[in-house]
Amino acid sequence: GAVVSQHPSRVICKSGTSVKIECRSLDFQATTMFWYRQFPKKSLMLMATSNEGSKATYEQGVEKDKFLINHASLTLSTLTVTSAHPEDSSFYICSASTSGGNNEQFFGPGTRLTVL
Amino acid sequence: AQSVTQLDSQVPVFEEAPVELRCNYSSSVSVYLFWYVQYPNQGLQLLLKYLSGSTLVKGINGFEAEFNKSQTSFHLRKPSVHISDTAEYFCAVSLATWGGGNKLTFGTGTQLKVEL
Repeated sequence: GAVVSQHPSRVICKSGTSVKIECRSLDFQATTMFWYRQFPKKSLMLMATSNEGSKATYEQGVEKDKFLINHASLTLSTLTVTSAHPEDSSFYICSASTSGGNNEQFFGPGTRLTVL
Repeated sequence: AQSVTQLDSQVPVFEEAPVELRCNYSSSVSVYLFWYVQYPNQGLQLLLKYLSGSTLVKGINGFEAEFNKSQTSFHLRKPSVHISDTAEYFCAVSLATWGGGNKLTFGTGTQLKVEL
């Protein structure tokens, strides 16, 4: 149980285009989803926290207009990187947790974004 | 705010030898503690967690960790490593409040490299 999927697993796009990444909880309802960014050989940096039906809470320094997060249902959250630039190239990982419980987050497999 | 320190960025070890990956944390309130493993180009997998109770926690793949409140440590150990244990290991903390949705703060990671 507690499987989280991400789609696509890998995407290459041109500079200036927008890219949408989906994060789905397959066998549980995720009241909270988190989006992380991971640079090569670095730790995970939390970008934002989203609760179903609410606006996402962004961490300091993360541009909310550039990284649009939508959490429209209890099983789906999306991250849209708008007007992507090469510096946005990174590994994006989502995680999901339930409202009842011990704060365990279940992580997706990640999406590798390369902006040319 | 919480913080996590993983002093060892890389730990080389021979196969079948024991290993300890160090993790220290800082927090003014009670925390939950986690160890995650990340294989190349994949998301994070939970190895083990400490919420309360026994300070010695056993996880998957033969790993265990001991919570030491006085030393604010949560070191990860395995008595005999395998080549397949080669991966990045992250220590993380969250606030110790029941209900889910609490943010994780990650350490910078330790690359465990198991050699023949």
